[in-house]
This record gives sequence, C-alpha cells and structure tokens, in this order.
Amino acid sequence: DQQVKQNSPSLSVQEGRISILNCDYTNSMFDYFLWYKKYPAEGPTFLISISSIKDKNEDGRFTVFLNKSAKHLSLHIVPSQPGDSAVYFCAASDTGRRALTFGSGTRLQVQP
Amino acid sequence: DTAVSQTPKYLVTQMGNDKSIKCEQNLGHDTMYWYKQDSKKFLKIMFSYNNKELIINETVPNRFSPKSPDKAHLNLHINSLELGDSAVYFCASSQLAGGHTDTQYFGPGTRLTVL
Repeated sequence: DQQVKQNSPSLSVQEGRISILNCDYTNSMFDYFLWYKKYPAEGPTFLISISSIKDKNEDGRFTVFLNKSAKHLSLHIVPSQPGDSAVYFCAASDTGRRALTFGSGTRLQVQP
Repeated sequence: DTAVSQTPKYLVTQMGNDKSIKCEQNLGHDTMYWYKQDSKKFLKIMFSYNNKELIINETVPNRFSPKSPDKAHLNLHINSLELGDSAVYFCASSQLAGGHTDTQYFGPGTRLTVL
C-alpha cells in the first residue's frame, strides 16, 4: 500500500521556467513532509520541509505548498536551472514513527 | 568530510552467500537507519537504531540483521542471500532522538547484486 504517491515519473522543463512536482498521500497521521533531491550514484539530499500546521514554506528558489484537505503537496522551483536536474522524492513522517515514508520519485530534466 | 559513509559502494555476490554492509556517520547523531530502494524506486525503511537500541524493525526477513557497535556505526548483515535482495541499500542518520521532524542525512548507497 503506497501511502505516498508521486504519479509523474518524469518532468521536463526549460531553463528559467517553473518546475512543479506533485505528491499525494493517504495517511492522515502524517504531519511532516519533506522533499529530497537525488543525483545518480548519490544518496538523497534534504531540500525543504513543511509541517502540517503550515501551508507554505519557502527557501530561495524552492517553495513547498501543502493542501491538507486534499492530502496533496507540491514543490515549486523558480527559476529552474540545469543543475536542478535530478530525481525528487517526496517523503512524510508522523509523530509516532521516526522513519520516513517515501514516494517513488519524479525525475526532473531542466533543458538549457 | 563525508558525513554518512557506506562500504562497499558496489557488492556483487552469489545466491546463498553471507555479506555485510557497513555504515558510519561522523555527525554525532543519535539515530541511524537502513532503507532499501527496490526495483520500483521506493525507499523503504528496514531498521532504525537510537543510541544503539533497535527502535524500528519493519517486516524484513530475519536473514537481515543490523548491528550497532556504537552510535556512530550501523552495519547490516545479510545471510543466505537471495535474488530478491538485489537493491540499493541506503544508510541514514538523524540528530534528535525521538524527534520525527529531524532531518535525515543519507549515505551514498550500496548497490547489491545477487547472481
């Protein structure tokens, strides 16, 4: 049972444009959400997070939006840069568990 | 300096063999984890140790045994390897014992191939 879903396996955008990566979850107990970025042959690297008490968190070019009623979050990257090309994983956790539940990832390709 | 390191990076072995993967973190973290990335690319938690104590043990075959000699190390030993064990295994660590919002830092992964 996939509790965190990333339905788009890949996304291609032009440099300078906005990248929007989406994530849906089913477990109502999740109260903390994260995005990780992964380059080939490397481990995932933390990018940005959001608590369920917020609906938006911003860090430079990266903004995460959370819609709790829809159980949906999204990551916006503006402007997109070729160095952003990587696999992006959505992850979630809840108070009772110290482990992360990951989605299957979205491969972002930013075209120069 | 490498924060979370794993050895080996690649491991190719025959079915039935026993192998170990080592993980070390130099971040001073209290909690360490093992995740498995399967063929569908999901990363799934296998084990978590907090200060050398096992706190999460997911539905993992008992051929997999984690060992934490100290809080900076969490090794994964696998007995009687099977074809389905082929995957990438990631070690991770985090700082706050008991805190589920602490950032987890991942190692580079160990690609295990069972022939």
